[in-house]
Amino acid sequence: DSGVTQTPKHLITATGQRVTLRCSPRSGDLSVYWYQQSLDQGLQFLIQYYNGEERAKGNILERFSAQQFPDLHSELNLSSLELGDSALYFCASSARTGPNTEAFFGQGTRLTVV
Amino acid sequence: AQSVAQPEDQVNVAEGNPLTVKCTYSVSGNPYLFWYVQYPNRGLQFLLKYITGDNLVKGSYGFEAEFNKSQTSFHLKKPSALVSDSALYFCAVRDRGNYGGSQGNLIFGKGTKLSVKP
Repeated sequence: DSGVTQTPKHLITATGQRVTLRCSPRSGDLSVYWYQQSLDQGLQFLIQYYNGEERAKGNILERFSAQQFPDLHSELNLSSLELGDSALYFCASSARTGPNTEAFFGQGTRLTVV
Repeated sequence: AQSVAQPEDQVNVAEGNPLTVKCTYSVSGNPYLFWYVQYPNRGLQFLLKYITGDNLVKGSYGFEAEFNKSQTSFHLKKPSALVSDSALYFCAVRDRGNYGGSQGNLIFGKGTKLSVKP
């Protein structure tokens, strides 16, 4: 168990809908990262938050947004969903102790858009 | 920009034989390199990392990785493979952007599927 909790584990929704994925980082970790894993694109970095502030953006669509709350949990909001958004979404967290710190990943949320 | 490449989509090994999963990197400055493993329907698990110092890094489950600066490689190795090692392996490099004191994100390779046959 990595200590990173993601809910829900599975999500099935229809095109055009909006969903929210939730992540609780390891205790004390200030950084949260969101990744998308699909068969054709591999592991793509979406966005990073650090202590409530956005720090870095990767290949995140405008239909997607995220935030990190004062208690450090994070949510990834996906709207106007398309079939191609079906993927495994991972959250990871790491501590603020230097660039050599590894990130710990949650079990992921499998999103299926039908 | 930082990047990693895993040239093999799949590696097949017989149980008991040594295994190598290849990774090459491209970075500016000192590299911070990581290996992760993903079992089916699971998240990524950290195996090991190279920061500085000894070029041979030892990690979890008997895995080790050899950092080679001249060849810009960071190959994952294990002296004797187990069937239970069958999984997807990812090499990653830490982005070195300025993030106000926080860590840059990890940039992953495409992954290598390791299959260990009895």
